[in-house]
Amino acid sequence: GAGVSQTPSNKVTEKGKYVELRCDPISGHTALYWYRQSLGQGPEFLIYFQGTGAADDSGLPNDRFFAVRPEGSVSTLKIQRTERGDSAVYLCASSQGSSSYNEQFFGPGTRLTVL
Amino acid sequence: ELKVEQNPLFLSMQEGKNYTIYCNYSTTSDRLYWYRQDPGKSLESLFVLLSNGAVKQEGRLMASLDTKARLSTLHITAAVHDLSATYFCAGAGADGLTFGKGTHLIIQP
Repeated sequence: GAGVSQTPSNKVTEKGKYVELRCDPISGHTALYWYRQSLGQGPEFLIYFQGTGAADDSGLPNDRFFAVRPEGSVSTLKIQRTERGDSAVYLCASSQGSSSYNEQFFGPGTRLTVL
Repeated sequence: ELKVEQNPLFLSMQEGKNYTIYCNYSTTSDRLYWYRQDPGKSLESLFVLLSNGAVKQEGRLMASLDTKARLSTLHITAAVHDLSATYFCAGAGADGLTFGKGTHLIIQP
């Protein structure tokens, strides 16, 4: 079956621009997670959805970052007024439920480069 | 707040040798995960460790968990070049996973 997919795979933008990153979770998975991985580091948690609602957005670095999941499936991570420090790989993961007992499956990531 | 530390962060070894990667975590974690990441690729799940004393093995990799010591290990037996990758451990907190910085493993022929 299809895994988690993310588009685009690569995004290059200029400082100050707005970007949207998309995640398609595994069908039927109710929980969806966004992580950010900087070069040479482990992924860092950004936000987690259970269904349509953001259950925990404590990892979002500031108010330039926002994510939605309006129909409980596809999610979009939105970054306003991008900065060079936002350059990273943004990973999406989904799981069958929200419990930590449910294994998270990761997508291939979107590599964002802010010039 | 859960914190996860791995060591070593970088490891170069020869084929055929054995080695262990260590993962310490700071507070109680429901589960402990090990992932593999190849350059430019996403994370591949290797092991999920559920409880104290859990041991899982897949091929040349074996993972264990000691919840009292808050320590997990990933042991590599008779390493082969194909195992070269970055290995992450991650603890399961209230919501998202907390990852270590990763161990960059290079296995030389």
